[in-house]
Amino acid sequence: AQTVTQSQPEMSVQEAETVTLSCTYDTSESDYYLFWYKQPPSRQMILVIRQEAYKQQNATENRFSVNFQKAAKSFSLKISDSQLGDAAMYFCALFQGAQKLVFGQGTRLTINP
Amino acid sequence: DGGITQSPKYLFRKEGQNVTLSCEQNLNHDAMYWYRQDPGQGLRLIYYSQIVNDFQKGDIAEGYSVSREKKESFPLTVTSAQKNPTAFYLCASSVTTLYTYEQYFGPGTRLTVT
Repeated sequence: AQTVTQSQPEMSVQEAETVTLSCTYDTSESDYYLFWYKQPPSRQMILVIRQEAYKQQNATENRFSVNFQKAAKSFSLKISDSQLGDAAMYFCALFQGAQKLVFGQGTRLTINP
Repeated sequence: DGGITQSPKYLFRKEGQNVTLSCEQNLNHDAMYWYRQDPGQGLRLIYYSQIVNDFQKGDIAEGYSVSREKKESFPLTVTSAQKNPTAFYLCASSVTTLYTYEQYFGPGTRLTVT
C-alpha cells in the first residue's frame, strides 16, 4: 500500500529565511509522481510543485524547490526567502496509477515577521 | 475563467437527513474526485470517477454516494448512514493523460451535522 509521511506537524521560520519541509513515502512502483500542495487559511488547495519519479533533476518553481531522493523515498520541499503569504498547511502527495492521490498528514508552516 | 465550483460554502443539516454537495468543473477534465478533510488531518479519498457514468470507491466510501451523469458534474450525497459526517469536503478534477496527474481543487464545502 502507498503511504506518505510528513513527520513535522508544525514548522516556523523567520521572514526572508529558508525552511525545509520533510516528506517520506512508500511505494513498490518505479513510475510515480510526487506533489506538494499548499492550503492557506482560505482552505483552497493550491499546487506548489510536482516531480516525476523518472526525472533525476529536482523540480524548481521560483522560490520553491524539492530535494528528491528516489532511493531513500524522500521528497522534501525547500522554501527560500520565506514570505508572510507562504504561511499555510503544506501537504505532500503521491500519485501512482489508479488515478488516486495519497496525501500526507500535513505540516503547518508559520512565518514570523 | 476555468475552474471548479462547489456549493454551498457552508452547509448545516440535522442528523438523519441526507445532503447533497455540488461540484461543477468547466476545465473539460475527465476525472473527478471527492475528498474529506478532518481537522489537523490530510485528505482522504471518498469516491472518484474517470469517465461519465463510471465511478470507483475510494478509501472511505461508506455512507456516501455519487453520480456522474455529465462530464462537468460530480455531486456527492452524504447519507444518514455516514456516522461522522461533519467535515470539510473538497472536490477535485484532473486530466487523465500520461504526462500530467496534478489535481485541481475547488474551494470546498464545510458540512456541519447536528
